[in-house]
Amino acid sequence: SAVISQKPSRDICQRGTSLTIQCQVDSQVTMMFWYRQQPGQSLTLIATANQGSEATYESGFVIDKFPISRPNLTFSTLTVSNMSPEDSSIYLCSSRYGQGEQYFGPGTRLTVT
Amino acid sequence: QKEVEQNSGPLSVPEGAIASLNCTYSDRGSQSFFWYRQYSGKSPELIMSIYSNGDKEDGRFTAQLNKASQYVSLLIRDSQPSDSATYLCAVREGGSYIPTFGRGTSLIVHP
Repeated sequence: SAVISQKPSRDICQRGTSLTIQCQVDSQVTMMFWYRQQPGQSLTLIATANQGSEATYESGFVIDKFPISRPNLTFSTLTVSNMSPEDSSIYLCSSRYGQGEQYFGPGTRLTVT
Repeated sequence: QKEVEQNSGPLSVPEGAIASLNCTYSDRGSQSFFWYRQYSGKSPELIMSIYSNGDKEDGRFTAQLNKASQYVSLLIRDSQPSDSATYLCAVREGGSYIPTFGRGTSLIVHP
């Protein structure tokens, strides 16, 4: 299994501000993913982050709102920009290994007031 | 559109019983199947992966895959209250790097 850490674990932010979430993986991986999970809901993929290329965003998510960096094979950041209360959610970082197993970080609980 | 369906539950079983969790999927080209356990307030934890038809056992957990019928199930033997969680099924089609997740089934194991 993988060891994935995320910072911060939680934050309360004001409307209109931005928050950058960091994700660190314990070994080099090609693919990292960012998910969002609303309370009581399943996982929604925001984007796939590949090292050395632009992130690939899923329908409904845009780079201006969720810019992603992937400077190396063990690290990625997701920024939630110009936040509104609708962005309140848990944000999860994930990485892919072997035959497609995905492991998740502990998550960042974001509350926007 | 790829779909992964799970009964949302809750599924309630007594301690010591077998809990049976089911998942159906729409894409016949799917090749990889995963079960995740998610405790309330925590992130999903991978507990089982299965790639070929049949059963795969790991401790108290058994994953069963039937590609012809397009379903995958998870059996938990000797269920414990600590097994109470939401169980997410994830299915990855061949050629895709990204699995599709179901909405999860809530399992409650009562003493």
